[in-house]
Amino acid sequence: DQQVKQNSPSLSVQEGRISILNCDYTNSMFDYFLWYKKYPAEGPTFLISISSIKDKNEDGRFTVFLNKSAKHLSLHIVPSQPGDSAVYFCAASFINDYKLSFGAGTTVTVRA
Amino acid sequence: EAGVAQSPRYKIIEKRQSVAFWCNPISGHATLYWYQQILGQGPKLLIQFQNNGVVDDSQLPKDRFSAERLKGVDSTLKIQPAKLEDSAVYLCASSLGGTGEFFYGYTFGSGTRLTVV
Repeated sequence: DQQVKQNSPSLSVQEGRISILNCDYTNSMFDYFLWYKKYPAEGPTFLISISSIKDKNEDGRFTVFLNKSAKHLSLHIVPSQPGDSAVYFCAASFINDYKLSFGAGTTVTVRA
Repeated sequence: EAGVAQSPRYKIIEKRQSVAFWCNPISGHATLYWYQQILGQGPKLLIQFQNNGVVDDSQLPKDRFSAERLKGVDSTLKIQPAKLEDSAVYLCASSLGGTGEFFYGYTFGSGTRLTVV
């Protein structure tokens, strides 16, 4: 039972343009949503998170938007840079246990 | 601060053999997790420890997988006997948890890539 879904396995974007990654979830009781970035042969690294009581969170070039009614969140990267080429995972958890449920990931390629 | 340490980085074994992975979390992180990531999929939780106690092992295939956390610090994950479908990256993570509306997230190790042939 996959509760977090990333339906786009890959995304290619030109350097300097916006990257938009999408994530859908099925459990409306999730309290936190997080994005992780993963380079080959490395573990995932935390990128940005958002609480379910908010609808937007920004950190530099990264912004996460949460639409609770649609059970959808998105990650915007502006502007995209070559170092952003990686696999991005969306994850969600509950406030009482902090166990993360992950999506399958989206591979982002930033073209020069 | 030092990150989450895992070893070995790579392991190739034959099916039905046994294998063990080791993890040293970030100092002070009470919660430790083992995740399995199969190629093309997101990480899947195997087991969660709080200090040296198991919080959730509902997704751990207990007929072949076992895990322990020694003195609430280091942890080992063992597979015996291994099957072909156990080929995956095994990720260890530790966390401070959260407070109210803020969740600190996890810090992951680099993982152990297991190939069962």
